[in-house]
Amino acid sequence: AQSVTQLGSHVSVSEGALVLLRCNYSSSVPPYLFWYVQYPNQGLQLLLKYTSAATLVKGINGFEAEFKKSETSFHLTKPSAHMSDAAEYFCAVSDTGTYKYIFGTGTRLKVLA
Amino acid sequence: DAGITQSPRHKVTETGTPVTLRCHQTENHRYMYWYRQDPGHGLRLIHYSYGVKDTDKGEVSDGYSVSRSKTEDFLLTLESATSSQTSVYFCAISDGKGQETQYFGPGTRLLVL
Repeated sequence: AQSVTQLGSHVSVSEGALVLLRCNYSSSVPPYLFWYVQYPNQGLQLLLKYTSAATLVKGINGFEAEFKKSETSFHLTKPSAHMSDAAEYFCAVSDTGTYKYIFGTGTRLKVLA
Repeated sequence: DAGITQSPRHKVTETGTPVTLRCHQTENHRYMYWYRQDPGHGLRLIHYSYGVKDTDKGEVSDGYSVSRSKTEDFLLTLESATSSQTSVYFCAISDGKGQETQYFGPGTRLLVL
């Protein structure tokens, strides 16, 4: 069965510092992987997704993620945090033939001035 | 944002009463989903639909039923609300399986007293 683990339910970084949010997946077949962002009192918005075309995926707002099969990871990074990046971030996994996403439990990012 | 609306956006109800939440889309997407979001659990799939009158259970379907009589509408019903169903409910839509992006509505905040 598929599963997703997000290490760290809360992450704090200083403004201008590197953002690293971790996601590890468990899947028996090549997965599709997604990162979503949720701002307070809003729905989820897609940041980026991996669909096997390229291992380094660039998304919106300067975020990117690298698919590493050997490490079963899909960590989200941004070189320089901005105050507007404060939000909750969710990693999700899907695979061919299924309608379903499996979501991680989320990481709340706090950006310190 | 994808054309997804949810109604009501907020609801307070009492234990034992029936509650229906509505999801409406203007994108003509085939697949629709209902999730609930709870702290520490991320998003969990309640039910989903793969076409008009075609629905199936997700991982947390007990106590919930759904109906889809038109492409654009997906209803979630709590037959007899319980306090454990206090949550934020999100509707999502997609145009296919696997790698297809799911687009989320703004959510409905439900409080069961």
